[in-house]
Amino acid sequence: AQTVTQSQPEMSVQEAETVTLSCTYDTSENNYYLFWYKQPPSRQMILVIRQEAYKQQNATENRFSVNFQKAAKSFSLKISDSQLGDTAMYFCAFMMHHDMRFGAGTRLTVKP
Amino acid sequence: DSGVTQTPKHLITATGQRVTLRCSPRSGDLSVYWYQQSLDQGLQFLIQYYNGEERAKGNILERFSAQQFPDLHSELNLSSLELGDSALYFCASSVGTQLDTQYFGPGTRLTVL
Repeated sequence: AQTVTQSQPEMSVQEAETVTLSCTYDTSENNYYLFWYKQPPSRQMILVIRQEAYKQQNATENRFSVNFQKAAKSFSLKISDSQLGDTAMYFCAFMMHHDMRFGAGTRLTVKP
Repeated sequence: DSGVTQTPKHLITATGQRVTLRCSPRSGDLSVYWYQQSLDQGLQFLIQYYNGEERAKGNILERFSAQQFPDLHSELNLSSLELGDSALYFCASSVGTQLDTQYFGPGTRLTVL
């Protein structure tokens, strides 16, 4: 069974600094997608970034980028120039076929 | 705004009751997924429908059921409610059935008293 592990329950970062959130997953499959979702206090689930497993190039969306290490089954999220609005729970998710599994989440606080 | 709508935003009911949550997917999306987010279980996949047909089942209780209508909106029915069913219920939609990005609605907060 596919599992997703986020080993950092809580993190904090100073505004304008860079922070990296960790995620590891376990699968024997070769074709899958990985996602980072953000859940701010409003509880809305917002897609931050996605990575197709068959792509070697790491995905980037503005200040958000990932470090995808397929062999190590690692998928970390880097947030550059952190902003107060980045304060949220961040969930790493693994999807294969229809099945999406989420990690337990990392609560990120951006401090002014 | 993801384009996925859910109603109602909040629902408060008593144990033993039955409720229906509604979801409208993004325009053009054929798949609808239901998730439950509770404090102790985290985010869990419940069920998926694609173009009116059930495609996948996750950790959905027998007391829960869902359907997707011809206009592609979906309803999640929860019956014989228990205190432990209190949670945030999300609907998500995607274009197809497998490796497509899922976009989430704002959720329905269910409180069972």
